[in-house]
Amino acid sequence: EAQVTQNPRYLITVTGKKLTVTCSQNMNHEYMSWYRQDPGLGLRQIYYSMNVEVTDKGDVPEGYKVSRKEKRNFPLILESPSPNQTSLYFCASSRLAGSESYEQYFGPGTRLTVT
Amino acid sequence: SQQGEEDPQALSIQEGENATMNCSYKTSINNLQWYRQNSGRGLVHLILIRSNEREKHSGRLRVTLDTSKKSSSLLITASRAADTASYFCATGKGGGKLIFGQGTELSVKP
Repeated sequence: EAQVTQNPRYLITVTGKKLTVTCSQNMNHEYMSWYRQDPGLGLRQIYYSMNVEVTDKGDVPEGYKVSRKEKRNFPLILESPSPNQTSLYFCASSRLAGSESYEQYFGPGTRLTVT
Repeated sequence: SQQGEEDPQALSIQEGENATMNCSYKTSINNLQWYRQNSGRGLVHLILIRSNEREKHSGRLRVTLDTSKKSSSLLITASRAADTASYFCATGKGGGKLIFGQGTELSVKP
């Protein structure tokens, strides 16, 4: 079954404790992206990757890191989480045609609470 | 920066009625996509329309795009209770960035 998986699905942590949210897709998609969703703000793009070892900033990259060492995986790293990073996070993947991404497949989401 | 703005923010209709949601954006785009989200779950892609297309259909969905007005609309015909969800437009400019609107919450009452 074609899918995007994220782990963990729920996470409560404390300020400053480094964490990683994993994302994996089994569709051989070149493009992967991370979003955060906050009430009243819709989805905002954090980082995206057009291919292995190619990453770029979205609209809200501050406080986050990503890496793309393998095509299927795109982990999101919070080196020193703060309460304003409490949010619902989504990973998504898509095929590419040139530099244009197409329909994105979303993971189930990771609800992160930073106290 | 938020590219897409959706209107209305919330819409409540009866089963069988049509639902229309609008999306406006600010800069030129390569494509515009519509997604559905059920109650905090992952988004599901509905339809993509390219900047050189004016109208597209998929089942009960009809999407229009007016690049001169920088706006798009999503029409759901003969709505069902199962269509209750949040609907988002997203604009793509190429190069990997995709910008989502804030969404329209649709409630379809049986």
